[in-house]
Amino acid sequence: AQRVTQPEKLLSVFKGAPVELKCNYSYSGSPELFWYVQYSRQRLQLLLRHISRESIKGFTADLNKGETSFHLKKPFAQEEDSAMYYCALRNAGGTSYGKLTFGQGTILTVHP
Amino acid sequence: EPEVTQTPSHQVTQMGQEVILRCVPISNHLYFYWYRQILGQKVEFLVSFYNNEISEKSEIFDDQFSVERPDGSNFTLKIRSTKLEDSAMYFCASRPGLARGEQYFGPGTRLTVT
Repeated sequence: AQRVTQPEKLLSVFKGAPVELKCNYSYSGSPELFWYVQYSRQRLQLLLRHISRESIKGFTADLNKGETSFHLKKPFAQEEDSAMYYCALRNAGGTSYGKLTFGQGTILTVHP
Repeated sequence: EPEVTQTPSHQVTQMGQEVILRCVPISNHLYFYWYRQILGQKVEFLVSFYNNEISEKSEIFDDQFSVERPDGSNFTLKIRSTKLEDSAMYFCASRPGLARGEQYFGPGTRLTVT
């Protein structure tokens, strides 16, 4: 079975401070990991995915297979980063139709 | 930019009634999904649909649930006889045929069963 754990339900930081949203996963196959973001009253949207290895809005995430983690980081948080963040996993294998397994989500609040 | 749309945005129904939640996926996408999120809980997969049939479903997706793509554009989720515990936000998603294509989500329908 696949499982995604986000241990922090709430995370508060001040503007300009570094932020790290934790995500751990459990999956025996070959996973694809994603971070989705949901701003207030907006839809879920993809923030980044591990296979892209790119930085979006200053955020990065590295897949650590040894620690089964995919933590989301940003060196200097901005007020507009305040949102709900979801870590999600997808089976990268051939028989998958692409369902996503989500973590509980972390509400990030960046204070001025 | 094309978006997934969902109607209605909020549906209130009485226990035991049938509801149909509607979604219009992005037009050239091939894979379609329904997820739900009970208040305060995680987003959970319900069902995936490909090539006009269910490709995968979760334990939640029992005989009370059904999906249909009636006309090549709409993608519907029907709950035959709603229960109080069906109250949740229901999200539709679609993705292109690429093996690693991104899923695009709709804004959700909030279903309230009284």
